Amino acid sequence: AQKVTQAQTEISVVEKEDVTLDCVYETRDTTYYLFWYKQPPSGELVFLIRRNSFDEQNEISGRYSWNFQKSTSSFNFTITASQVVDSAVYFCALSERDTGRRALTFGSGTRLQVQP
Amino acid sequence: KAGVTQTPRYLIKTRGQQVTLSCSPISGHRSVSWYQQTPGQGLQFLFEYFSETQRNKGNFPGRFSGRQFSNSRSEMNVSTLELGDSALYLCASGAGTSGSTDTQYFGPGTRLTVL
Repeated sequence: AQKVTQAQTEISVVEKEDVTLDCVYETRDTTYYLFWYKQPPSGELVFLIRRNSFDEQNEISGRYSWNFQKSTSSFNFTITASQVVDSAVYFCALSERDTGRRALTFGSGTRLQVQP
Repeated sequence: KAGVTQTPRYLIKTRGQQVTLSCSPISGHRSVSWYQQTPGQGLQFLFEYFSETQRNKGNFPGRFSGRQFSNSRSEMNVSTLELGDSALYLCASGAGTSGSTDTQYFGPGTRLTVL
C-alpha cells in the first residue's frame, strides 16, 4: 500500500532562514508521481511541483528547491531565505500509475511558521 | 484560465440532514476528484469522476455519493449527516488524459459544519 510520511508536524523559523521539509514515501509501483502542495490559511491547496519516479533530477524554482532520492524514498522540499508569506501547511503527496491507485495519498502535512 | 470553483464556501447543517456540494473544474479539464480534510484523518480521497463516470472510489460509506455532468461540473452528496462529517471538502480538477496521472488543481473548498 502507498504511504507518505511527513515526520515534522510544525516548524518555526525566523525570516531569511533556510528550511527543509521532509517527505518519505512507500510504494510498490515502479512508476509513481510525487507532489508538493501548499495550503495557506484560506484553505485552498496550491500545487507547487510534480515529479515522476523516473526523473531524479533536482528542481529549483526561485527560492524553492526539491531533492528527490529514490534510494532513500525521499522527496524533500527546501525554502531558501524564507519569508512570512511562506507560512502555511505543506503537504507531500503520492500517486501511482495504476488506474485504481491514481488518487493522491497525502502526508499529514508540515505547518511552517515564518516569524518576521 | 479560471481556477476550480466550489459552492457554497460554507455550510451549516444538522445531523440527519443531507447536503449537496458543487464543483466546476478548470475549463477543458474532464476529471474531477473529491477529498475530505479533517484534523484527525487529514486529507482523504472520496472519489473521482471522468466523462460522467466514477473512475475511482475511496473508502467512505455509501452515504457519500457524487456525479458528474456532461459539462464536467460535479456534485457530491452526503446523506444522513453525522457530526463526524464536519470537514473541509476539496474538489480537484485534472486534465483527464489516459495513461498517466494528472496533476490535480484544487478549489478553495467547502467547509461543512454539522451540528
